Amino acid sequence: QSALTQPASVSGSPGQSITISCTGTSSDVGGYNYVSWYQQHPGKAPKLMIYDVSKRPSGVSNRFSGSKSGNTASLTISGLQAEDEADYYCSSYTSSSTYVFGTGTKVTVL
Amino acid sequence: QVTLKESGPALVKPTQTLTLTCTFSGFSLSTSGMRVSWIRQPPGKALEWLARIDWDDDKFYSTSLKTRLTISKDTSKNQVVLTMTNMDPVDTATYYCARSTSTIFGVVNLDYWGQGTLVTVSS
Repeated sequence: QSALTQPASVSGSPGQSITISCTGTSSDVGGYNYVSWYQQHPGKAPKLMIYDVSKRPSGVSNRFSGSKSGNTASLTISGLQAEDEADYYCSSYTSSSTYVFGTGTKVTVL
Repeated sequence: QVTLKESGPALVKPTQTLTLTCTFSGFSLSTSGMRVSWIRQPPGKALEWLARIDWDDDKFYSTSLKTRLTISKDTSKNQVVLTMTNMDPVDTATYYCARSTSTIFGVVNLDYWGQGTLVTVSS
């Protein structure tokens, strides 16, 4: 199972909106509405930000939103803040009843 | 309050078998819908999903590592154990366990994570 493809880095100024893409295949992202997004600060465990493509866990800011079109899922961060600077990973359920993560995206707040 | 904590050796030799234990609290793996997964992350690299065990003892493994992995649970001790055979230096990574919950409304995947444990493979 190949990793999902994410851009290596995305940057934006405070207050701006950025979008991170996550491209897979019809056997994972395109085939199921089980895409999740995780935020990871250096030296810390990942934190769930979005599940089931667009659902936000309790306590996660509504500045984070998810969507999917075909084989590509997206995470949008609106009103970018300094604390949003972190690595972000997508994940999807697969046709093999397993999960696959994305290659990861480093978000920089300029 | 849900917590998970990984434990195991910090250093293993090549060809040895690694045994990691995830001890959790705040939920029961005998409750319908509960799942625990193992994920690893080599230094400076991306996350990699390894295995999952469900409340009904269903087990799922990474297709690329399935011949080397075994996952099991001890519900009475609130523990999940992962073994990985034939360890190699490329298996050096931080190993995490994490919980998921499956309901009729969807799957909250990996909503609580342990702090991770760094395993180094070296002779």
